[in-house]
Amino acid sequence: DTAVSQTPKYLVTQMGNDKSIKCEQNLGHDTMYWYKQDSKKFLKIMFSYNNKELIINETVPNRFSPKSPDKAHLNLHINSLELGDSAVYFCASSQGMELWGPRNTIYFGEGSWLTVV
Amino acid sequence: GDSVTQMEGPVTLSEEAFLTINCTYTATGYPSLFWYVQYPGEGLQLLLKATKADDKGSNKGFEATYRKETTSFHLEKGSVQVSDSAVYFCALTSKTSYDKVIFGPGTSLSVIP
Repeated sequence: DTAVSQTPKYLVTQMGNDKSIKCEQNLGHDTMYWYKQDSKKFLKIMFSYNNKELIINETVPNRFSPKSPDKAHLNLHINSLELGDSAVYFCASSQGMELWGPRNTIYFGEGSWLTVV
Repeated sequence: GDSVTQMEGPVTLSEEAFLTINCTYTATGYPSLFWYVQYPGEGLQLLLKATKADDKGSNKGFEATYRKETTSFHLEKGSVQVSDSAVYFCALTSKTSYDKVIFGPGTSLSVIP
């Protein structure tokens, strides 16, 4: 059973389209995240949600809108896709927001490879 | 702010060679330190971690020791295999960046037979 699952794994779409990436975790965690990996492999946080409430929004264009219908799901909707949105998007989850210290671990999904043409 | 620096890649090694990937960090206090691995076409996997000074994390033959005095967490493996070819990310969480993982830029490793 995959702990953090994302769909789709691969997505090729045209500029200007709207697309969504779905994420589900079965770990019972209350915090979920979206990270972006750009073409140079650099990873950076985009959003985090705790108990369905937005906590982190790291200067991401407002074309990106996360939605958390419940604690186990965090979907990423992207409007008016641009070439620069091509990247790998990773969903993740943890039990609580406190990632520092020995007790908590963040678990990443397999990634969604988005290509905008 | 908190940051992680890694040696530039790509690194190419022959099978059974010794591997070191350098990682240094800047953070307030005592961060938790991690190595993640991304195999080609796959997601991020936690390879090992250490949460206090002098701790050694180890997994799958890889090791890294948390060195507070040099603010380093270098990844080592005594004998690499072709299957170790991947991108390796050093990362941290800290008291100030407690709710996010700060990643280094990644080091690509290719192991040739």
